[in-house]
Amino acid sequence: EAGVAQSPRYKIIEKRQSVAFWCNPISGHATLYWYQQILGQGPKLLIQFQNNGVVDDSQLPKDRFSAERLKGVDSTLKIQPAKLEDSAVYLCASSRQGANEAFFGQGTRLTVV
Amino acid sequence: RKEVEQDPGPFNVPEGATVAFNCTYSNSASQSFFWYRQDCRKEPKLLMSVYSSGNEDGRFTAQLNRASQYISLLIRDSKLSDSATYLCVVNRAEGFKTIFGAGTRLFVKA
Repeated sequence: EAGVAQSPRYKIIEKRQSVAFWCNPISGHATLYWYQQILGQGPKLLIQFQNNGVVDDSQLPKDRFSAERLKGVDSTLKIQPAKLEDSAVYLCASSRQGANEAFFGQGTRLTVV
Repeated sequence: RKEVEQDPGPFNVPEGATVAFNCTYSNSASQSFFWYRQDCRKEPKLLMSVYSSGNEDGRFTAQLNRASQYISLLIRDSKLSDSATYLCVVNRAEGFKTIFGAGTRLFVKA
């Protein structure tokens, strides 16, 4: 079974620029999550999708972050404009509906300079 | 106060040692609990679920104390390959609606 795919693996941008991350979840997984992990901290949930609907985006900084999952499969997370404090690893995860385990992708390491 | 708190460590132990990590959570409505392992620059992976009755998987034992709102992980006979960050995860509701702790770093040395 293929795992969660993310791209790019690394991205370096200047502050105020825009960036987008892509995630392809495990086939058949209805639930998709985007997490932000800052160095030395645990992952923080940014947004959770159930199929193509948003379940929880309470911690998503909506003035600069946006995410979509139009067809209930792939998802993109965008930051516009980026700030220095957005430097982190962005992890995508997926799970079967109602399941208690999520599987993570390898993440995208973003550096904002 | 953070919803899930862990001792960040690091714990430095020799091979063969027994080491225990604790994690406390503040939301009494939390329903399910897990330990995830995260190797350096890698993604988190499920180590084990934690049940009220306690559960064991080889050298790893997890315990849950709902009354005191803490979770523990015990690693016996530590191996060099156990070196990693161990993340305590608390699930607020059905499915996977989670809060991660900041993690406890473990270094096992020869």
